Amino acid sequence: SAVISQKPSRDICQRGTSLTIQCQVDSQVTMMFWYRQQPGQSLTLIATANQGSEATYESGFVIDKFPISRPNLTFSTLTVSNMSPEDSSIYLCSAARPESSYNEQFFGPGTRLTVL
Amino acid sequence: EDQVTQSPEALRLQEGESSSLNCSYTVSGLRGLFWYRQDPGKGPEFLFTLYSAGEEKEKERLKATLTKKESFLHITAPKPEDSATYLCAVQGYSSASKIIFGSGTRLSIRP
Repeated sequence: SAVISQKPSRDICQRGTSLTIQCQVDSQVTMMFWYRQQPGQSLTLIATANQGSEATYESGFVIDKFPISRPNLTFSTLTVSNMSPEDSSIYLCSAARPESSYNEQFFGPGTRLTVL
Repeated sequence: EDQVTQSPEALRLQEGESSSLNCSYTVSGLRGLFWYRQDPGKGPEFLFTLYSAGEEKEKERLKATLTKKESFLHITAPKPEDSATYLCAVQGYSSASKIIFGSGTRLSIRP
């Protein structure tokens, strides 16, 4: 399984500002994903981060609000832009390798974001 | 639309008291069903993948089974360290790589 790290682990931000979350994988992976987990709830997929092309966003999530970069096969960033208190959540990065047919995703520890 | 429903929402057991968690799913062509464990403040930890009805997987005190409509996570003689939220997720052939997660079952084991 891949080892995934995220930075920062937590942050408290002011309304209207932006935060960039970094996700680093210890080996090359084809697919990387970004999820949001609101308190007491399950995971909701924000987007799939594609290496060498634009991210694929799920319904309800837009690039202007959640821009994503994927410069190589081991790294991705998610920016939460123009934040409001409704963006307070845990943001999780995950990764999968092609030999797993994208089935088995391994997750980072998450970034706990609080917006005041 | 692919859908996953988990029950119960929360379950409290005495140490050693076996039980089962349920995951009902609706998907157009099941590519895989997954079980994850999530501890407070951490990301989900992968446990099992099941691909077809009748399949079973085991790991320590956990055993996952799959039918055409649901999956069960059986926990035998649980210990306090098994306390966590257990998440079920499905991937359908029509959804490419997307995985749909259920809301989870919060399991608490009392010593």
